[in-house]
Amino acid sequence: SQQGEEDPQALSIQEGENATMNCSYKTSINNLQWYRQNSGRGLVHLILIRSNEREKHSGRLRVTLDTSKKSSSLLITASRAADTASYFCATVNYGQNFVFGPGTRLSVLP
Amino acid sequence: EAGVTQFPSHSVIEKGQTVTLRCDPISGHDNLYWYRRVMGKEIKFLLHFVKESKQDESGMPNNRFLAERTGGTYSTLKVQPAELEDSGVYFCASSQSVTGETQYFGPGTRLLVL
Repeated sequence: SQQGEEDPQALSIQEGENATMNCSYKTSINNLQWYRQNSGRGLVHLILIRSNEREKHSGRLRVTLDTSKKSSSLLITASRAADTASYFCATVNYGQNFVFGPGTRLSVLP
Repeated sequence: EAGVTQFPSHSVIEKGQTVTLRCDPISGHDNLYWYRRVMGKEIKFLLHFVKESKQDESGMPNNRFLAERTGGTYSTLKVQPAELEDSGVYFCASSQSVTGETQYFGPGTRLLVL
């Protein structure tokens, strides 16, 4: 089994709707980060939430972290067609390297 | 400030051939990482350099893969001889801090082994 599993694997919504993606992990973490990958591009860092934080906002993004359930969610509000991309969570434990999940493919339809 | 760059963007080779991928990290970043995403699966860590030293190479799949970072600047990842299962996207990332802070990723090199 793998660390950092995103759920759902694919999500299709209409422009203007909200999109919620979830990430579960198995070991203790120092922080959890969300990245976006547009088709053919590299990974772009979106937001970092530390293990002692429960919620964080950045523009239209809202991330929650529940360390008791070992899960995180990424909410994108008022989605746009430009939000179409794959979204990955990466778990980080101090001194160790990133562990990525398989990603959620988000399609925002105009 | 230039981001992480990778070369080539795409490479198509035949099984048994050799391919060398290059990564130029953000200037001043001592930490350089290689990752691989195979066939839509999760992105997997390959190895981590701190300057020119290999800090962690636990993710390297086998001895057909050789990574170097001479001089502590750019890095190369050589696959020799390439096998079909090596096909995928190879990402490079760099960071200033080694304590799990943000890593900045390059666009990746798409490798196809036929």
